[in-house]
Amino acid sequence: EVQLVESGGGLVEPGGSLRLSCAASGFTLSSHSLNWVRQAPGKGLEWVSSISSSSSFIYYADSVKGRFTISRDNAKNSLYLQMNSLRAEDTAVYYCVREVYGYYAFDYWGRGTLVTVSS
Amino acid sequence: QSALTQPASVSGSPGQSITISCTGTSSDVGGYNYVSWYQQHPGKAPKLLIYDVTNRPSGVSNRFSGSKSGNTASLTISGLQAEDESDYYCNSYTNTNTRVFGGGTKLTVL
Repeated sequence: EVQLVESGGGLVEPGGSLRLSCAASGFTLSSHSLNWVRQAPGKGLEWVSSISSSSSFIYYADSVKGRFTISRDNAKNSLYLQMNSLRAEDTAVYYCVREVYGYYAFDYWGRGTLVTVSS
Repeated sequence: QSALTQPASVSGSPGQSITISCTGTSSDVGGYNYVSWYQQHPGKAPKLLIYDVTNRPSGVSNRFSGSKSGNTASLTISGLQAEDESDYYCNSYTNTNTRVFGGGTKLTVL
């Protein structure tokens, strides 16, 4: 069974940093691109970042470029998101998301981890 | 990276069909056949319904179908059921290798 389990969320002050992790199981991580997608409370989905299977290709939404860094460790079956210079508008549930092999679509989602940026 | 445009809400009665539109530009929806659709119930993670404009993953009901014309993609739900009441989001690949979601549509089954 494919599972994606996020961790690392919590309360952080504006300007602070946080590192999210996603533990993957039930599939060969190195075969899939992975993404982070977030959802602010009561709002819609927002794509944050993607990383290809071998980390060769990395992309970010303009809203986080220069502040967030996505990375992965296929040997540890893990995905990460380093978030720096956090702002109130970064408050959201962050989902770890698997991309369908060979397609630009998201087939498995974690349950999400809540990041709250507030003083 | 502007969000794709979806109607905020749609509604329909059980058994009817409804269509949700998703409008982008030639840089995303119109430029690629990489539109996907997701269903999200309150407090749950989204579920993939449609990928590559028209394809359904195994296990997704054939009451869900997708199409595209120009810069607008559409999701049609036929034979509406109470359990279809949910939020729906479109997503597209873009010409900068990023992805963009629509603002979401709340479906109410009357």
